Amino acid sequence: DSGVTQTPKHLITATGQRVTLRCSPRSGDLSVYWYQQSLDQGLQFLIQYYNGEERAKGNILERFSAQQFPDLHSELNLSSLELGDSALYFCASSPGAVDDEQYFGPGTRLTVT
Amino acid sequence: GQQLNQSPQSMFIQEGEDVSMNCTSSSIFNTWLWYKQDPGEGPVLLIALYKAGELTSNGRLTAQFGITRKDSFLNISASIPSDVGIYFCAGRRNSGGYQKVTFGTGTKLQVIP
Repeated sequence: DSGVTQTPKHLITATGQRVTLRCSPRSGDLSVYWYQQSLDQGLQFLIQYYNGEERAKGNILERFSAQQFPDLHSELNLSSLELGDSALYFCASSPGAVDDEQYFGPGTRLTVT
Repeated sequence: GQQLNQSPQSMFIQEGEDVSMNCTSSSIFNTWLWYKQDPGEGPVLLIALYKAGELTSNGRLTAQFGITRKDSFLNISASIPSDVGIYFCAGRRNSGGYQKVTFGTGTKLQVIP
């Protein structure tokens, strides 16, 4: 158990819909990272927040957005969902902004039908 | 998105055998990380390497940071059934104060008892 929690574990929704994935980092960690893992794309970094502020951006689509709240939990919002958005979405956390190892949550499996 | 080249893609080995896998990139990294992902779980950090040429062990696992800083190797000695899973390398470099992490394509390991 990494100490990172993610909800929900599974999510099934239809194309065009919007969903919100939630992540609580390990106690004391200020950074939260979001990743997408699909069969054909592997593990792709989406975005990082550090202490409430966006820190780094990866391959995140404009239809996706994230935020980190004062209590340091984070939410990833996915809108106008397409079939290709079906994937595992992982959240990870680390103590600082740079030069820290990341601890991954169990993931949310999103299925878009 | 950018990914590191990791090989082999998959391997079947007999219990007790040693395993080697590697990761190569055209880019230089400051840190190399090796993760293991069990089915239905998030990746778990196994070993972190911070210096070119560094050789680090964690039990039966040994990893090396390549001298060129463009590659890394992971060895597992005397494999056991619980070594089954997908192993990912990740390279990290700081870019403009941001921590940029790129993951490898993964090596799927199957251990035959």
